[in-house]
Amino acid sequence: AQSVTQPDIHITVSEGASLELRCNYSYGATPYLFWYVQSPGQGLQLLLKYFSGDTLVQGIKGFEAEFKRSQSSFNLRKPSVHWSDAAEYFCAVGGSNTGFQKLVFGTGTRLLVSP
Amino acid sequence: NAGVMQNPRHLVRRRGQEARLRCSPMKGHSHVYWYRQLPEEGLKFMVYLQKENIIDESGMPKERFSAEFPKEGPSILRIQQVVRGDSAAYFCASSLTGSENTEAFFGQGTRLTVV
Repeated sequence: AQSVTQPDIHITVSEGASLELRCNYSYGATPYLFWYVQSPGQGLQLLLKYFSGDTLVQGIKGFEAEFKRSQSSFNLRKPSVHWSDAAEYFCAVGGSNTGFQKLVFGTGTRLLVSP
Repeated sequence: NAGVMQNPRHLVRRRGQEARLRCSPMKGHSHVYWYRQLPEEGLKFMVYLQKENIIDESGMPKERFSAEFPKEGPSILRIQQVVRGDSAAYFCASSLTGSENTEAFFGQGTRLTVV
């Protein structure tokens, strides 16, 4: 069965420090991988996606993620965190035949940014 | 161009009542997806609809839950005879086409509380 694991429920990072949010997935076929961000009271916003090609994916707001098939991971990174990045981050997986249509989400990681 | 609109944002129902959640997709979008987020869990796919058709309802509970997306008007997720376990955030997403690489945009969600 498809699943996504985000092992960190909460992460606190100092403003200006680097960030890495972990995501591991289990998927029987070729996966499509996504990172979404949810700010309080807002809907989910797509940060970036990986379908194929270059395994290092650039997204919005200075985020990037690297697909590592051998580790079944798709970790999200940002070199310098801003206070406005405080939010909840969700990793998700979809199939190459369903893509965005039927996503399996992780439980999310809540990012806190300290001054 | 307004985003995906969900209403109400918060809904309180007593056990045994009916809950109706509405989702207006982005302009021009004819594909709608519903997800449920139980407390401390990730979003779980419920149903995928196209105008007047249910494409995939594999995530819908077998009883009390139904969804529709009529030719005119919003998509409706209907929960009959609600129970405490239905308390959750319900998210709707829409996309322009059903292609696997067409981005789905999420609404802000409806928080249902059953008392």
